[in-house]
Amino acid sequence: QQPVQSPQAVILREGEDAVINCSSSKALYSVHWYRQKHGEAPVFLMILLKGGEQKGHEKISASFNEKKQQSSLYLTASQLSYSGTYFCGTDNSHVFNKFYFGSGTKLNVKP
Amino acid sequence: DTEVTQTPKHLVMGMTNKKSLKCEQHMGHRAMYWYKQKAKKPPELMFVYSYEKLSINESVPSRFSPECPNSSLLNLHLHALQPEDSALYLCASGDGEGYTFGSGTRLTVV
Repeated sequence: QQPVQSPQAVILREGEDAVINCSSSKALYSVHWYRQKHGEAPVFLMILLKGGEQKGHEKISASFNEKKQQSSLYLTASQLSYSGTYFCGTDNSHVFNKFYFGSGTKLNVKP
Repeated sequence: DTEVTQTPKHLVMGMTNKKSLKCEQHMGHRAMYWYKQKAKKPPELMFVYSYEKLSINESVPSRFSPECPNSSLLNLHLHALQPEDSALYLCASGDGEGYTFGSGTRLTVV
């Protein structure tokens, strides 16, 4: 039930781009993206709903392919503050239901 | 107020103790969640409360007992825990547009 993320870890230099992928074996209603820094709570980045468009703000955006049950998070011109573990999360219903986190991708941005 | 507040931040308890974790949100969200997170792992869903009623229990052992006294509060009562229950316990609330997490309670069972 847990979505699978790839890659497991990424090391970038400041200014480089990255793509994180999230894949589910079940039909999805929505995909969420969160970032968690060490010792802190996950922070919501964005949600993509079934039938919705690609979303994003500034240099972080995401897409959702309902047919393939996949989502991708795009980080462009990365900054040091982007470091952390990125989790996708998936809902298969519009009602308050089980919400499962993906396996996580650890991103390390170096100067 | 856009926060989810959890108390205590840290808790050390013996295997025979009874303790409670508390969570409070004032965002008017209709769903509240308990997650357990082990080091370097994603949060694992434990319980979901929807409109103050328990809607999901992910086969969590009975030594964990959730309670939702009202729409703003969520408790997790702990009794006779095992050392392997040591983890970060996260509370979250949401309304279908993303979830807000509390900072968590770091629980150590000795």
